[in-house]
Amino acid sequence: AQTVTQSQPEMSVQEAETVTLSCTYDTSENNYYLFWYKQPPSRQMILVIRQEAYKQQNATENRFSVNFQKAAKSFSLKISDSQLGDTAMYFCAFMKHSGYALNFGKGTSLLVTP
Amino acid sequence: GAGVSQSPSNKVTEKGKDVELRCDPISGHTALYWYRQRLGQGLEFLIYFQGNSAPDKSGLPSDRFSAERTGESVSTLTIQRTQQEDSAVYLCASSLVAGEQETQYFGPGTRLLVL
Repeated sequence: AQTVTQSQPEMSVQEAETVTLSCTYDTSENNYYLFWYKQPPSRQMILVIRQEAYKQQNATENRFSVNFQKAAKSFSLKISDSQLGDTAMYFCAFMKHSGYALNFGKGTSLLVTP
Repeated sequence: GAGVSQSPSNKVTEKGKDVELRCDPISGHTALYWYRQRLGQGLEFLIYFQGNSAPDKSGLPSDRFSAERTGESVSTLTIQRTQQEDSAVYLCASSLVAGEQETQYFGPGTRLLVL
């Protein structure tokens, strides 16, 4: 079974600053996929970024980037130039190759302050 | 519709009653997933459908939980004889097909409170 750990229950950052959210996972799989989802107060989960384990290059989506360290089984999310609209719960998730179910961590609540 | 929709948005029920939760996936999406989110927790996978078939029901917590899908479209999750521990947000997602290559798009969820 795969487990996903997010060690930071809550974080805050000032607008325009950079923040990094941590995620570690445990798996015996070699091929898998990692995701960061955002859940604003509206409850709707939104995919922020995804990473294929076989790709060494870190994924980037505009202000969002990841630091994927396969050997360390670490997958952190960096948010640059934080905006008030980034306030949300952020969930790290794992899916094994040829899988279909997402395994989620418990989430990190991020508050962006003016 | 443009996205995944779920109804009702909120449901309050009494212990022992049955409830039905509905999910309308994005049109054309053949895969549909149900997850449960307890307070302060991440999402737990419950079941998924490819078409109208459910290849993996292993995530369903007990035999009080069941789900069906018809017409490769709407799905209902039924909880019989509800218990207080069933209180949670139930989220539905859909994707073009089942698999890691496909992004799962989530609905807003149904918040269930069992008194």
